[in-house]
This record gives sequence, structure tokens and C-alpha cells, in this order.
Amino acid sequence: KNQVEQSPQSLIILEGKNCTLQCNYTVSPFSNLRWYKQDTGRGPVSLTIMTFSENTKSNGRYTATLDADTKQSSLHITASQLSDSASYICVVTGVLRSNDYKLSFGAGTTVTVRA
Amino acid sequence: DGGITQSPKYLFRKEGQNVTLSCEQNLNHDAMYWYRQDPGQGLRLIYYSQIVNDFQKGDIAEGYSVSREKKESFPLTVTSAQKNPTAFYLCASSTRPSAPEAFFGQGTRLTVV
Repeated sequence: KNQVEQSPQSLIILEGKNCTLQCNYTVSPFSNLRWYKQDTGRGPVSLTIMTFSENTKSNGRYTATLDADTKQSSLHITASQLSDSASYICVVTGVLRSNDYKLSFGAGTTVTVRA
Repeated sequence: DGGITQSPKYLFRKEGQNVTLSCEQNLNHDAMYWYRQDPGQGLRLIYYSQIVNDFQKGDIAEGYSVSREKKESFPLTVTSAQKNPTAFYLCASSTRPSAPEAFFGQGTRLTVV
């Protein structure tokens, strides 16, 4: 079973509207959680990174939240634009041992913004 | 400018052939990684290297091979032993082996014809 589950699998929103993506994880111990944006046929680009002590981080119209107690994170997109159409991937860094980490990837949420 | 370069962007392979995907970085990163991405699935780790001349198998290493002769380069060979090689391959690097931050290349789409 994947240790990082994202929902919904896909969503369609109208330009200018807001949306929220969810990420639930079971990775433990946990170092940090990141959200990446991946345009079709391109490599992922980091949007936000949060450690267990942070509960919110913004990057322009993107705001990520983290609840380390419930192991949940969300990514909120405000006033969506056509260029926001992409796959959004949640990545959780687990600690295997001192100085040894493992990344666990969610399957991603595909966002389509329509005019 | 600095970054990770993967080539080619698209690659076609005949059944039974080996092909090599290139990954070069000029970020002076010690650690490099290869991931495979399939529709509806998260990225899966194929191989990683924390230092020159050393590399480790990831979760799905069977049918793949790598080398790390230079810090800047981490080529991936998809061998004929890989039964389902059609996928999107992503290379990544990080500043040091313990650093969880990773920067990704633009990917190579491999198709078996």
C-alpha cells in the first residue's frame, strides 16, 4: 500500500476559482513534506516544502498546510489560472536512519483549469 | 545556467535492444537518482548514487543498470531484461546524500515499438 495517498485523482475547475488538493501519508518518522507541480511531459518543480514544525507555507497563489499529528496536508490554489493546469504531487521524506532518507511519492492530482 | 539535463526527450526502442538515457547536472550535487513514472502511480526509485563510483538499487532495479564515473553524469541503461520499459523516466539530484531536497530533470519518454 502506498504510504502517500492523494485525492482527488483529478479535478476540473473554472478559471478564477479556488481548489484544494489533499495528501494523507503514513510515513514515519517524517522529515518534511513537499508539493511539486508537474506540467505534462516535464519534470516536477518544487512549490513548497514544510518540516514537521511548520503548518502552513505559501508560494504566490499556492498555500500548503500540514497537520503532522493527523498526517495530512493540503494544497490550496487561489484564483486559478490556465497555467495551473498540471499534475500536483505530494512527496513525503521519511527518515530511515541518521542521514539516510527515503522519498515517498503520491500518485498526483491532475488539475485542469478551463476558461 | 545550472540545472539537470536529460536526453533525449523521446526515445524509441525495439524489442530486445538496450538503450541508454543520459542525465547530466552542473549543480555540483553529490547525489543523483533515477525514477520511473507510470500513469496513475507515484514515482518509483530505480537506482540512486550518493557519491562517484558508488550506486545502490532502488525499489524497481531489475532490468536496469547505471554507472557513476563522473559526479556530473548518471546514465541509465534500460536492458532487454526489463519486460515493460515503456514509461516516463525522471532523473533527479540533491546537494548531499542526506539532503531530502531534490531537483528534477525534464524527463525522457521511452516507448518500445
